[in-house]
Amino acid sequence: GQNIDQPTEMTATEGAIVQINCTYQTSGFNGLFWYQQHAGEAPTFLSYNVLDGLEEKGRFSSFLSRSKGYSYLLLKELQMKDSASYLCAVKDSNYQLIWGAGTKLIIKP
Amino acid sequence: GAVVSQHPSWVICKSGTSVKIECRSLDFQATTMFWYRQFPKQSLMLMATSNEGSKATYEQGVEKDKFLINHASLTLSTLTVTSAHPEDSSFYICSARGDREIEAFFGQGTRLTVV
Repeated sequence: GQNIDQPTEMTATEGAIVQINCTYQTSGFNGLFWYQQHAGEAPTFLSYNVLDGLEEKGRFSSFLSRSKGYSYLLLKELQMKDSASYLCAVKDSNYQLIWGAGTKLIIKP
Repeated sequence: GAVVSQHPSWVICKSGTSVKIECRSLDFQATTMFWYRQFPKQSLMLMATSNEGSKATYEQGVEKDKFLINHASLTLSTLTVTSAHPEDSSFYICSARGDREIEAFFGQGTRLTVV
């Protein structure tokens, strides 16, 4: 079966750095997405990786290793507004998005 | 990024009635639209995929006669929850993708409460 694993919840301190991991087993791979979702709102796009390596976008970076079925989202200089759920999603061989359950990130002052 | 507008943001309806949710792509042509349902503290669950001008493809376990999807134009798709029941109460989210887009853009979501 297809599976996306991410930690359920993480806590970090304002100003610090946090890494949210995602491992996947899917039938084929056509890219991995990270989305941010605040409570009661729809997800917003953060990043897309299709090749191995690190993609940096401001305070957020995303890493992919296809051979390991592994990705992480790195958030630097954490701000209180970064408190949200972070969803990992993989596009499989049918170009369907398979979603992880999301990681709830709690930022403390 | 592209803008997808979903309406209404929230709706309360009586059991047995029908509710229509609209999803519009405001600044691009959405060749494909996706409808998701999300229960509290759970991930997104894809309900159906629709391509403009053709019938929607429903995921296993989703009743096509209960969740009517129309994608009649490149900028509008609608989801109608027919004969709604309390167990249909959920957060419904649409997303839209253009022909040359990698990512799909999400609407704001609709919180449906059936009483």
